[in-house]
Amino acid sequence: GENVEQHPSTLSVQEGDSAVIKCTYSDSASNYFPWYKQELGKRPQLIIDIRSNVGEKKDQRIAVTLNKTAKHFSLHITETQPEDSAVYFCAAGVTGGGNKLTFGTGTQLKVEL
Amino acid sequence: GAVVSQHPSRVICKSGTSVKIECRSLDFQATTMFWYRQFPKQSLMLMATSNEGSKATYEQGVEKDKFLINHASLTLSTLTVTSAHPEDSSFYICSARVPYEETQYFGPGTRLLVL
Repeated sequence: GENVEQHPSTLSVQEGDSAVIKCTYSDSASNYFPWYKQELGKRPQLIIDIRSNVGEKKDQRIAVTLNKTAKHFSLHITETQPEDSAVYFCAAGVTGGGNKLTFGTGTQLKVEL
Repeated sequence: GAVVSQHPSRVICKSGTSVKIECRSLDFQATTMFWYRQFPKQSLMLMATSNEGSKATYEQGVEKDKFLINHASLTLSTLTVTSAHPEDSSFYICSARVPYEETQYFGPGTRLLVL
């Protein structure tokens, strides 16, 4: 089955700096890669996703890059703000049939003032 | 985005009792729902995929007789933890997929504490 590894497990940045979280996956059949943000005690919320037919996607301060050959994808947050502090999960899955996702282990991001 | 609700949000029960958790898609019909378990400061572990009108597909290592899943309608899936024990204490969270989309929308989760 799919195995997703995520690094780092914790990340502390100063407000205004950029944050990068990296994930690798094992199953070359995976073609859908969402990122979720989970605040303490709350539900995971989708923040951005990318499909394997593109290499990069951007939404305001958030961007995701995908390298299919190397089987890794990354989340980039620019101009970080305190409200970006949360746990971020990457995931990988195959579109169609089942659509189940395998999640990474999570990154605790702390944006310090 | 699509809204998924979950009930109850928190439950405390005695060892040996059964607990039912409901997951509802409020503004869309979900042919597929997923059940996850999350331990403190850990990732989301998929327990099973719930398909409307058919038997759930359980992940390896998840006891289907222990965690009963029913997806009787396009907006409701239930997870019943049977004969709960303290080791079943956890955060259970469901998600639902909007038809023809890949996105999974999560419910708010249910915190189960078995005494």
